[in-house]
Amino acid sequence: DVKVTQSSRYLVKRTGEKVFLECVQDMDHENMFWYRQDPGLGLRLIYFSYDVKMKEKGDIPEGYSVSREKKERFSLILESASTNQTSMYLCASSDQNQPQHFGDGTRLSIL
Amino acid sequence: KNEVEQSPQNLTAQEGEFITINCSYSVGISALHWLQQHPGGGIVSLFMLSSGKKKHGRLIATINIQEKHSSLHITASHPRDSAVYICALRRGGATNKLIFGTGTLLAVQP
Repeated sequence: DVKVTQSSRYLVKRTGEKVFLECVQDMDHENMFWYRQDPGLGLRLIYFSYDVKMKEKGDIPEGYSVSREKKERFSLILESASTNQTSMYLCASSDQNQPQHFGDGTRLSIL
Repeated sequence: KNEVEQSPQNLTAQEGEFITINCSYSVGISALHWLQQHPGGGIVSLFMLSSGKKKHGRLIATINIQEKHSSLHITASHPRDSAVYICALRRGGATNKLIFGTGTLLAVQP
């Protein structure tokens, strides 16, 4: 079975901190994705990557950056956390034209 | 107007009932996904459809490409089916990006 592992289930940080969310997949998938999920808005794509060191902005990239130095790892970075970035963050990976496999999510609170 | 709309937003059923969740969309797609999210977060892919019908256990998914509509059916519903069901569209192209509906919250009461 594909395993997508997010480093934390719950995280509390302070406004202005630099926050790192890590995601690792074990199936050699080319594509990796970061989403945030908010009530009433569904999942929204922040960034995705289709290869090592390759990345593209999604629908809501402002305030975020990403890093993919190795194929199995895709990191989401909040450069200076703000309270409106309090959300559930979900990572996913997939092969081309195949279903996405999701991690369990990180519930991030910014105080 | 949203590119993908789900109905209903909330659904409460009694154990054993037949359940239908609908997804309508307004753009061309290469595939449609149905996903399940249980309380606590984890999302599981149930089906990926580009035409016709698929069945897995008590779950059936159908799609009508001409009408831009898909349905997810649950037969003999059970409390463990309680979850959020999400419809997602794949537009095509090389990136495998999805467009998500806002989900249907299903509660099956014993």
